[in-house]
Amino acid sequence: DAKTTQPTSMDCAEGRAANLPCNHSTISGNEYVYWYRQIHSQGPQYIIHGLKNNETNEMASLIITEDRKSSTLILPHATLRDTAVYYCIVRLYNAGNNRKLIWGLGTSLAVNP
Amino acid sequence: GAGVSQSPSNKVTEKGKDVELRCDPISGHTALYWYRQRLGQGLEFLIYFQGNSAPDKSGLPSDRFSAERTGESVSTLTIQRTQQEDSAVYLCASSLGTGARSNQPQHFGDGTRLSIL
Repeated sequence: DAKTTQPTSMDCAEGRAANLPCNHSTISGNEYVYWYRQIHSQGPQYIIHGLKNNETNEMASLIITEDRKSSTLILPHATLRDTAVYYCIVRLYNAGNNRKLIWGLGTSLAVNP
Repeated sequence: GAGVSQSPSNKVTEKGKDVELRCDPISGHTALYWYRQRLGQGLEFLIYFQGNSAPDKSGLPSDRFSAERTGESVSTLTIQRTQQEDSAVYLCASSLGTGARSNQPQHFGDGTRLSIL
């Protein structure tokens, strides 16, 4: 299983870009990187995912290094509502096509006014 | 609603009792997952359903835990003879299934907070 390493916590000023790093040095060629976040007392919320190309959607951008061993989630203009725990996950699948997600402890992002 | 719905949102019960948790997935989602999240921890996979295939039960922690799903609709997670260690938030997620849609993300409900006294 490819595992991920993230900083335990980060701070960001409101209105600035939040850059959340993730290390996944053992990722295999056909495993995707997913990002979710979890706001207190809510279920996780999908943000973005990618394989090797950079991706952007209405919530964030995902930058994946050329060797795919690390990635960065970018929230371009962080707001107070972006305060949450951010999870970087490499999707595991086996012969049964199980798409279960293996979760670490994530990065607790605090956006400050 | 359009999202994954779980009930009850909170459940408090005495040790030794059985509990049943319900998940209504997003309509059209063939894949359904159950996870457990203990306080301050990441999510722990429990079980996965995909259409009419045999479920992947590899994450169930003991034979006190079981889950059912009829077709591509509602799922129930049952915990028998509850123990204090079962206290956690139980989260359900659904997604579009395999094949060309296999990269689709999982969409989560807000969970059932289970407290065993």
